[in-house]
Amino acid sequence: EAGVTQFPSHSVIEKGQTVTLRCDPISGHDNLYWYRRVMGKEIKFLLHFVKESKQDESGMPNNRFLAERTGGTYSTLKVQPAELEDSGVYFCASSPRTGTNEQFFGPGTRLTVL
Amino acid sequence: AQRVTQPEKLLSVFKGAPVELKCNYSYSGSPELFWYVQYSRQRLQLLLRHISRESIKGFTADLNKGETSFHLKKPFAQEEDSAMYYCALIRSNYQLIWGAGTKLIIKP
Repeated sequence: EAGVTQFPSHSVIEKGQTVTLRCDPISGHDNLYWYRRVMGKEIKFLLHFVKESKQDESGMPNNRFLAERTGGTYSTLKVQPAELEDSGVYFCASSPRTGTNEQFFGPGTRLTVL
Repeated sequence: AQRVTQPEKLLSVFKGAPVELKCNYSYSGSPELFWYVQYSRQRLQLLLRHISRESIKGFTADLNKGETSFHLKKPFAQEEDSAMYYCALIRSNYQLIWGAGTKLIIKP
């Protein structure tokens, strides 16, 4: 079974540009999470989808970040316009609806904003 | 405030020596705690969860509610244990709250 996949693995953009990160969860997993690790700091929660609905977006830093999960399958996280402080590693995780609280992580996308 | 603290950024021990990675938490309610590990060039993966009370790859972790700790231990370190280790707790709304991580280096 394929694990959580994320695309791209790396992205280097200039301040002010737009970047879209994609996450494909494990098939059948209703829960999808986005996390971020900024350099030197701990991993922080961004938001949580249950199927296509945003269950909790309390961790989104500001309105430059927009997450979607149309159709309840893959998710995208768009940063527009990107700022220097957005640099970091963005992780996606998924989990089934019931039965376990274990979250399965993707490899992450390393975003560098110059 | 809900918080997870890993006081050591780096821990270096010799192969065969005991390992203890410290984790303390602050949480109102009954926490569910995890240890995640990230080996070089690999993704984050679950190592242990306190509710399962199992030993994985020789590691154990016991939840101590009195000391609000969930330290990770292994009696004899192996070189393949070198990795980043993260302690995390899960809130009732499924958010994981993470410690800063400890880089474990096992010296030959």
